Amino acid sequence: DAGVTQSPTHLIKTRGQQVTLRCSPKSGHDTVSWYQQALGQGPQFIFQYYEEEERQRGNFPDRFSGHQFPNYSSELNVNALLLGDSALYLCASSFSQGGGYGYTFGSGTRLTVV
Amino acid sequence: GENVEQHPSTLSVQEGDSAVIKCTYSDSASNYFPWYKQELGKRPQLIIDIRSNVGEKKDQRIAVTLNKTAKHFSLHITETQPEDSAVYFCAASIDTGFQKLVFGTGTRLLVSP
Repeated sequence: DAGVTQSPTHLIKTRGQQVTLRCSPKSGHDTVSWYQQALGQGPQFIFQYYEEEERQRGNFPDRFSGHQFPNYSSELNVNALLLGDSALYLCASSFSQGGGYGYTFGSGTRLTVV
Repeated sequence: GENVEQHPSTLSVQEGDSAVIKCTYSDSASNYFPWYKQELGKRPQLIIDIRSNVGEKKDQRIAVTLNKTAKHFSLHITETQPEDSAVYFCAASIDTGFQKLVFGTGTRLLVSP
């Protein structure tokens, strides 16, 4: 049973560029959440997708956007990259009817902005 | 919004000793408190969690306690082993099914043989 998979694992981008990160949730999960983890910090909630809609959003600018597809996979897009966007981006999936159980993280995408 | 504070930021113990990590949260509506272990370069992994209707939960060498009145919760690891060395994060959320976790800043635990 595959867990949460993210691609790519590492990425280097230049300031001002755009990036797309991808996430496939664990089998049976229908909700995808994205987190940003800066070096030495705890993960920070970016947003959550359910039924192809953004359900909740953290304190991140509109440069951060996302999408969920009918197969529950998700993308995170970041426009106009800043040096401060360098971080580990974690995807977590869960089942909406699971009462909070089964919140599983992927291994993340390490984004470096130069 | 919710804010979670975690102490200490680093903790060094000898193998076999106990380790305690403490967190406080601000939103009294929070009712779900998981703990994650993150080894270098790896994903955060859930090691134990507790809900607000219980005060303590144990799983072998790991236990978590919750004081809702004081808005404190703690992770206790007994008989520490070198493989327990990692960064530990506490988190809090309002468990509605659409879980948004607010994490602490992490504790780097080093267990020396």
